[in-house]
Amino acid sequence: ETGVTQTPRHLVMGMTNKKSLKCEQHLGHNAMYWYKQSAKKPLELMFVYNFKEQTENNSVPSRFSPECPNSSHLFLHLHTLQPEDSALYLCASSQDWGRDRGAYGYTFGSGTRLTVV
Amino acid sequence: QKEVEQDPGPLSVPEGAIVSLNCTYSNSAFQYFMWYRQYSRKGPELLMYTYSSGNKEDGRFTAQVDKSSKYISLFIRDSQPSDSATYLCASHTGGFKTIFGAGTRLFVKA
Repeated sequence: ETGVTQTPRHLVMGMTNKKSLKCEQHLGHNAMYWYKQSAKKPLELMFVYNFKEQTENNSVPSRFSPECPNSSHLFLHLHTLQPEDSALYLCASSQDWGRDRGAYGYTFGSGTRLTVV
Repeated sequence: QKEVEQDPGPLSVPEGAIVSLNCTYSNSAFQYFMWYRQYSRKGPELLMYTYSSGNKEDGRFTAQVDKSSKYISLFIRDSQPSDSATYLCASHTGGFKTIFGAGTRLFVKA
């Protein structure tokens, strides 16, 4: 496996369900990100982890809960979601330091297409 | 005003045409500029990265940044049907934050 791998590719869940998205990067990068992509909107940064420590939470509702057990794996735990949370959830990684984190570009996974019914 | 603005398109061109994709940005602190290509049902893929003003060329792709007018461009020469995708521009201040445009859909007709 190379690059950034996300599972599952598609997920349909009810508003009362609990599910998790998984991301794994095989690039040796030190930073990992969760982004939300909705139709015709710019990518929205949700969470940033640097060396498995959360360094940014972009005012994301608590029904989204990230977990980063090590620098290669990232999870997004979902519970009691709303239909407006339906979107493509993208994981990304980068090898950056300090203030330039992300300045040289990210490697993205293929995303999880989430539908909340 | 959005920090990075991009025409959503769609932009439809015949095969072999020169394609011009453009973004404007409002934050003069942006120093790094990127273009990503996103195929349907895939994540964005980094195409080009530039620092400050000037041009950068990679094969059929040329990225251009004009900081005086806050304008970012991507030119695709000899466009191919395989170039059909959504193109995202992005800017970075050098202070942790990357801002993306909403993307322009490009169709190259054979």
